[in-house]
Amino acid sequence: QQQVKQSPQSLIVQKGGISIINCAYENTAFDYFPWYQQFPGKGPALLIAIRPDVSEKKEGRFTISFNKSAKQFSLHIMDSQPGDSATYFCAASYSRQLTFGSGTQLTVLP
Amino acid sequence: DAGVIQSPRHEVTEMGQEVTLRCKPISGHNSLFWYRQTMMRGLELLIYFNNNVPIDDSGMPEDRFSAKMPNASFSTLKIQPSEPRDSAVYFCASSSQGAWGGYTFGSGTRLTVV
Repeated sequence: QQQVKQSPQSLIVQKGGISIINCAYENTAFDYFPWYQQFPGKGPALLIAIRPDVSEKKEGRFTISFNKSAKQFSLHIMDSQPGDSATYFCAASYSRQLTFGSGTQLTVLP
Repeated sequence: DAGVIQSPRHEVTEMGQEVTLRCKPISGHNSLFWYRQTMMRGLELLIYFNNNVPIDDSGMPEDRFSAKMPNASFSTLKIQPSEPRDSAVYFCASSSQGAWGGYTFGSGTRLTVV
């Protein structure tokens, strides 16, 4: 019940395209849903996060869409750039403890 | 703020040797987490501390692994004896009890056991 399922495992997008990464969860007690971005040789870094009382949050080119009834949330990267190439992890939190998805390796082609 | 500081960045050791990984959390953060990352298993939580007290060590794979947090600014993860299957990147992360915004990760220690 603590699992967070993430897809796809890898994603290749052309520069300027839209990257979409999806996550699903089971535990309805989760109350905070962050996305982390990890570059090679670095630790994961918080990118954007949402709480379940809103359906969408946008920060620049990054948007989280949240569907509480379906227990799903997704990250959309608009106008994807080669510099966005990284591994993205979704996560869900209960009692301030995060459960991470398995990660998506995004490659944005120039 | 210097962020979460881990040392060493890289460690290569021979099987059977003791390995100690170090972490300095962000000042004022009262929760500390140790993660292991591999291609096969992704990010695995090994252990976490609240106010220097170990809360959940169910992710520690074997008795060969131990972690301590003697004070609010320092934690260690020790592997004794090390084995080749322990090769991975080990991350330390910390978080605040206040306005919560998730975890801040260090840059990790890449451990290779040969």
